[in-house]
Amino acid sequence: ELKVEQNPLFLSMQEGKNYTIYCNYSTTSDRLYWYRQDPGKSLESLFVLLSNGAVKQEGRLMASLDTKARLSTLHITAAVHDLSATYFCAVDPLFETSGSRLTFGEGTQLTVNP
Amino acid sequence: DARVTQTPRHKVTEMGQEVTMRCQPILGHNTVFWYRQTMMQGLELLAYFRNRAPLDDSGMPKDRFSAEMPDATLATLKIQPSEPRDSAVYFCASGRTANSNQPQHFGDGTRLSIL
Repeated sequence: ELKVEQNPLFLSMQEGKNYTIYCNYSTTSDRLYWYRQDPGKSLESLFVLLSNGAVKQEGRLMASLDTKARLSTLHITAAVHDLSATYFCAVDPLFETSGSRLTFGEGTQLTVNP
Repeated sequence: DARVTQTPRHKVTEMGQEVTMRCQPILGHNTVFWYRQTMMQGLELLAYFRNRAPLDDSGMPKDRFSAEMPDATLATLKIQPSEPRDSAVYFCASGRTANSNQPQHFGDGTRLSIL
């Protein structure tokens, strides 16, 4: 059974600081997704990582994938309050085209304080 | 922007009642997923369709839950009879197997409360 573990599960940080969220998974996969969820809202896709060494950046967020270590990171640079949300990583356990089932991590609840 | 549409957005009903949730996937998407989200269990995959055929419903309690896709524009998730422990947010997501660069797109969810 595929396990996807995120840490930390809760993160409280000050504006302007940097931090990294980690996502470990238990089986071979070349396909990993990061989503953001605001309270009471849906999940919004942030990044799609499709190969070893993939790195994607959008604003203050940067995601990377190391398939050998079975690890993805989501790095936050100079955090701002608007980044407060819950962040999920999700892994596709089979190397097939998009649309196959995903296994989600528990989510990391990020709070950015002024 | 194309969106996954779910109805109703909110549902409150008494235990024992039948609940039907509907999902309209994005036009052209051929995979549909039903997820349930609770504080205790997080996000759980309940059922999964590809080209309208059910591929995996192992995450779904079979005695009371059923998922169908009567046509390409409609997926349904039914609970009968409903129980208080079914209270959760139910999300539908759709995707396209032909496009490996695209993630699953989520609807806004149905917030279900069973009294």
